[in-house]
Amino acid sequence: DAMVIQNPRYQVTQFGKPVTLSCSQTLNHNVMYWYQQKSSQAPKLLFHYYDKDFNNEADTPDNFQSRRPNTSFCFLDIRSPGLGDAAMYLCATSRGRGRGGTDTQYFGPGTRLTVL
Amino acid sequence: AQKITQTQPGMFVQEKEAVTLDCTYDTSDPSYGLFWYKQPSSGEMIFLIYQGSYDQQNATEGRYSLNFQKARKSANLVISASQLGDSAMYFCAMREFNTGNQFYFGTGTSLTVIP
Repeated sequence: DAMVIQNPRYQVTQFGKPVTLSCSQTLNHNVMYWYQQKSSQAPKLLFHYYDKDFNNEADTPDNFQSRRPNTSFCFLDIRSPGLGDAAMYLCATSRGRGRGGTDTQYFGPGTRLTVL
Repeated sequence: AQKITQTQPGMFVQEKEAVTLDCTYDTSDPSYGLFWYKQPSSGEMIFLIYQGSYDQQNATEGRYSLNFQKARKSANLVISASQLGDSAMYFCAMREFNTGNQFYFGTGTSLTVIP
């Protein structure tokens, strides 16, 4: 089945120690998104890629970076995690603007990040 | 201004009863899509139902239906015959097709189904 995969499902890191979260998709979608979601809140968009074009949200801290080496994979790098970065990180995909038809966003299962 | 507004932080419904979760939206783009997602305690966001701005009929998917009132800019989710497994957070979202690729989310409604 076509899907969005996130690894790992649970990640524990230490304060200030860089961490990378990964996302892959078999949907062949053009757009990949990274969201941060804290408890009982809506997902907050950090950034997204339309193909190789990177789109950063204005309020995304510089501590968060992303890479998309190819259509299938996208990575979220947190350079120096702080206690406030503990959250669920959701990856999602969609076909993207101009592709016609319904542009539904599909999510992976998420990575729950703990910062000690 | 908020693109998506969900005014019900929490809702309770008796098992087997129907429940309506409210969602209003704000956009000037004539072409847009409205989505509902379910997020159980496991954290995964599950797509439930879609309504396009040009769709003439209300969307339905099994026990889910979307009460789309375009003039009022509302897109309420109706869940019929509630089941215990419906207990979750529910998010309304919108995509404006003529602007960027962003999806805008509401703050969510926590639904609890009571046996």
